[in-house]
Amino acid sequence: QVQLQESGPGLVKPSQTLSLTCTVSGGSISSGSYYWSWIRQPAGKGLEWIGRIYTSGSTNYNPSLKSRITISVDTSKNQFSLKLSSVTAADTAVYYCARVAPNWKFDPWGQGTLVTVSS
Amino acid sequence: QTVVTQEPSFSVSPGGTVTLTCGLSSGSVSTNHYPSWYQQTPGQAPRTLIYSTNTRSSGVPDRFSGSILGNKAALTITGAQADDESDYYCVLYMGSGFGVFGGGTKLTVL
Repeated sequence: QVQLQESGPGLVKPSQTLSLTCTVSGGSISSGSYYWSWIRQPAGKGLEWIGRIYTSGSTNYNPSLKSRITISVDTSKNQFSLKLSSVTAADTAVYYCARVAPNWKFDPWGQGTLVTVSS
Repeated sequence: QTVVTQEPSFSVSPGGTVTLTCGLSSGSVSTNHYPSWYQQTPGQAPRTLIYSTNTRSSGVPDRFSGSILGNKAALTITGAQADDESDYYCVLYMGSGFGVFGGGTKLTVL
């Protein structure tokens, strides 16, 4: 049973870079034709797809965030990561990682981690 | 920019049937958008209900079903129960490797 767990700082200062890691357990991040994705949810609001990565390193990003996002993968550690630069209060959200099948099924999901942008 | 539309809120009586929809601000939803549906309760991660338009995820009761109705994707709950009271999100694949979530529907069972 594949499980995902997000980790990283819960507080980031404005203009700095948010960095999160998603650790995959119960299976290899390289097995199967899966993408690995980041999604976020501001408090009281809906889900927003941030981007995804394949284990080859190929990425796709949300066009509205593309200039600030970098998603990378470390297959040796069974992890993938998110970096979001130049953050503002609007980037405060719960950040989820998820596995994405070729048919765009998001499953499983991590439990989510709250990141607050504040000085 | 394409917007995925969902009803902001809906209510259903216990035992009743409700259909939530997922549309596009421009154009029609088709199976090529691989619509999928997720249920979320407060403080929890989303739970996968339906993927590829109408395939139920493992462990999901058969009272949840997905379809294309007209120009939208649809999630139908038949025989609603109290613990179906949740937020429901759809996501559509827009091509070129990216997807868009709908704004979500808050379902009340009363």
